[in-house]
Amino acid sequence: QKEVEQNSGPLSVPEGAIASLNCTYSDRGSQSFFWYRQYSGKSPELIMSIYSNGDKEDGRFTAQLNKASQYVSLLIRDSQPSDSATYLCAVGKYGNKLVFGAGTILRVKS
Amino acid sequence: KAGVTQTPRYLIKTRGQQVTLSCSPISGHRSVSWYQQTPGQGLQFLFEYFSETQRNKGNFPGRFSGRQFSNSRSEMNVSTLELGDSALYLCASSATGDRTDTQYFGPGTRLTVL
Repeated sequence: QKEVEQNSGPLSVPEGAIASLNCTYSDRGSQSFFWYRQYSGKSPELIMSIYSNGDKEDGRFTAQLNKASQYVSLLIRDSQPSDSATYLCAVGKYGNKLVFGAGTILRVKS
Repeated sequence: KAGVTQTPRYLIKTRGQQVTLSCSPISGHRSVSWYQQTPGQGLQFLFEYFSETQRNKGNFPGRFSGRQFSNSRSEMNVSTLELGDSALYLCASSATGDRTDTQYFGPGTRLTVL
């Protein structure tokens, strides 16, 4: 079992729809969770961080954390073609190590 | 503030050679982490330096090494290059190095080993 798992996709949604990206992790002691977006040929850029159970909203993005279920999700409202990218879920470990999932490819069709 | 910078951006080497990559963190950041990204393995943690000390290391052979200078700039070295070392090498910096701290990535160095 991988430490952080994501559906590789691609996830295709029409422009204006809600995109839902999911991530599960195996280490129950994990405390910090991050969503990064990576465009093809570019480096990852941070979208959201979340540390407590519940929802955290930032503009069109909402991160959801459920530690009991070991589950993190990212919702993108009013999806735009510019949101088309690979979304990486990462779990923070001791010594500033991030463990990444394989990423979910999102395609927003206009 | 300027972001994380990495040099060079592209490198082509041949098997058996060695290579040194450089990373300058965001001003004031003390932690620098290195990652390798390949299509097959995804993003994998190499090591992290904090205040000139290696604090954590991933599952990579000893051919991969690094160091951090007093100004927080970091270098990583790969000796005896193998074809499988072809990858995007990413450097990330964070202010405190705490596991909850945000890491900001540089543009990466694309290494091709022929």
